[in-house]
Amino acid sequence: EAGVTQSPTHLIKTRGQQATLRCSPISGHTSVYWYQQALGLGLQFLLWYDEGEERNRGNFPPRFSGRQFPNYSSELNVNALELEDSALYLCASSFGLGQPQHFGDGTRLSIL
Amino acid sequence: GDSVTQMEGPVTLSEEAFLTINCTYTATGYPSLFWYVQYPGEGLQLLLKATKADDKGSNKGFEATYRKETTSFHLEKGSVQVSDSAVYFCALSDQKGGSEKLVFGKGTKLTVNP
Repeated sequence: EAGVTQSPTHLIKTRGQQATLRCSPISGHTSVYWYQQALGLGLQFLLWYDEGEERNRGNFPPRFSGRQFPNYSSELNVNALELEDSALYLCASSFGLGQPQHFGDGTRLSIL
Repeated sequence: GDSVTQMEGPVTLSEEAFLTINCTYTATGYPSLFWYVQYPGEGLQLLLKATKADDKGSNKGFEATYRKETTSFHLEKGSVQVSDSAVYFCALSDQKGGSEKLVFGKGTKLTVNP
């Protein structure tokens, strides 16, 4: 069974640009979660999508947004990139509320 | 809000030593508790879980028991191997109001020397 897949593996951008990160969940999973793992800040919850809808959002500015497609894959968009957005962005998926979350290997976003 | 506190380490052990990584939590209600492991350059892997008080999660020789009275979920292994070297994260699942997110501790880096 294929796990959660994320692309690209690495992404290099400059300040002010926009970044798009992609995630394909485990087959059968309907919920997708995004987390940011920044140096010194640990793992922080960003967004939760379920059945195509945004269900919960962490304490991040509106320039962090995303969506979930009918096939349950998801995109995370970050606009007006800032240096502090440099981090590993992890996507996870699950069967839904209360079920264990399974993680991909992440996208390393570097802002120059 | 909900929070998780775990010993930050780093922890360095010799092969076959006993491992304990402490984890305590603060939460309203009855969260589910998890340990995840992150190997270098990889994402997080679910190691074990417990969903209610006194549950014991176990996997690959690792164990943790959900202790409601002490709000703890300490990770233990009787005999560590070099391959156990990784960063370990304790987490709780916050499902208040129908929402869903994991709240993580800061992680504990474990190095096991041969």
